Amino acid sequence: DIQMTQSPSSLSASVGDRVTITCRASQSVSSYLNWYQQKPGKAPNLLIYAASSLQSGVPSRFSGSGSGTDFTLTINSLQPEDFATYYCQQSYTTPFTFGPGTKVDIK
Amino acid sequence: QVQLVQSGSELKKPGASVKVSCKASGYSFASYSMNWVRQAPGQGLEWMGWITTNSGAPTYAQGFTGRFVFSLDTPGTTAYLQITSLKAEDTAVYYCVRGITSGSNRFDPWGQGTLVTVSS
Repeated sequence: DIQMTQSPSSLSASVGDRVTITCRASQSVSSYLNWYQQKPGKAPNLLIYAASSLQSGVPSRFSGSGSGTDFTLTINSLQPEDFATYYCQQSYTTPFTFGPGTKVDIK
Repeated sequence: QVQLVQSGSELKKPGASVKVSCKASGYSFASYSMNWVRQAPGQGLEWMGWITTNSGAPTYAQGFTGRFVFSLDTPGTTAYLQITSLKAEDTAVYYCVRGITSGSNRFDPWGQGTLVTVSS
């Protein structure tokens, strides 16, 4: 199975900050990498797919980059509604494994 | 709009069974797979497997074989997850989520989740 790691596991940031979360796969997943946002008590929501494609309806302050084994999710100008947990997921091969999550909270 | 609506929370005793439903609407049900994802309390997301909605063929991830069964309401638009011989460690929120494969593989949208609590 492909193992996914994320760093940091948590971070504190202020509204307006630029936030970067990294995700690493244990082997190449090409560009088959998705990012999801989950708020407490809610289902996850797709933000970025294919490493860098913005899902329809997602604000443009979210962006993704990377390929192979190393990926990044960037949130430009963090907004109050962005405080949540973010998960990466590889969809290159089954089982479609998720990273452990990065919790973004208010500084 | 595309929507997945799951059945409500369940409280079950160890050894019992539970069946969670996931009603799809707003899209061609047979054109996309249906995936199931587990989230234990305070934990991350774990892909359980999927079912192809045109043939009804299930695929289970390791750790979800034997007691877990994916099925469909054919010719309807409802997917089901049944768990038998429930254990305390099955306590979790279970999500159904549509799998999209055009261009890349991704999960969207997600059902709202069904909390299954196993307790004596």
